[in-house]
Amino acid sequence: QQNVQQSPESLIVPEGARTSLNCTFSDSASQYFWWYRQHSGKAPKALMSIFSNGEKEEGRFTIHLNKASLHFSLHIRDSQPSDSALYLCAVSTYAQGLTFGLGTRVSVFP
Amino acid sequence: AQTIHQWPVAEIKAVGSPLSLGCTIKGKSSPNLYWYWQATGGTLQQLFYSITVGQVESVVQLNLSASRPKDDQFILSTEKLLLSHSGFYLCAWTGTYNNQAPLFGEGTRLSVL
Repeated sequence: QQNVQQSPESLIVPEGARTSLNCTFSDSASQYFWWYRQHSGKAPKALMSIFSNGEKEEGRFTIHLNKASLHFSLHIRDSQPSDSALYLCAVSTYAQGLTFGLGTRVSVFP
Repeated sequence: AQTIHQWPVAEIKAVGSPLSLGCTIKGKSSPNLYWYWQATGGTLQQLFYSITVGQVESVVQLNLSASRPKDDQFILSTEKLLLSHSGFYLCAWTGTYNNQAPLFGEGTRLSVL
C-alpha cells in the first residue's frame, strides 16, 4: 500500500520569496509523480509532473525527483499571492490512479 | 477537446437516504475513470477506478459502490448515507497512456445531515 507524505503542513511566505514543498513515497515501483494545486472550493488542477530522476523547470516552477531517496519536491520562484492554495503531491503506478499526500497549505502575503 | 461533467453540483441529503452521483466524459473513447473523495480540509482519497465498461475496481469502499454502465459514464451510489459520507466527490479521467495527468471534473459537494 502506497504511503505518500508531504511536508511542511503549511507555509506562509512573503511575495517574491521562494517556496519549497516536499513529498516522500513508499513504493519504489512508483512510476509517475505529480503536483496538483487546489484553490479553496475548487477541483485540483495538475501543475507539473516528472517521470525520471532529475529536474524539470516550467516558468517559475521547478520539480525535482530522486527515486532512490523516494523523494520529490516542488519549488516556486518569485511566489505570488495567486499561488496561495493547497498543494497536493501524488504518485501513480500503472492505471490504478493516484495516491495523494495530505497537502501543504501555502499562503503568500503581499 | 475532452470535457468532464459531474452532476449534481451539490446535494444536501438526510442520513439513511440513497445517493447517486454521476460523471460523464465527452470527446474521449475508452477513458480510465476514477472516483475520489475529499473530506473538508482533507486529502483526496481514491475510491474506485475503471478501465473499461462494466469493470470497476474498489480501492476504498466507504459503504459506497460504483458502476460504469457506458464507456463515457461513471456512477457512484449508496443505498443508505452516513454522516461520514459528507465531503467533496471528484471524478477524474486519463487516457490510455499512464503518463497523462488525471484531469478532474468540478466536483459534487455533499452534505449529509
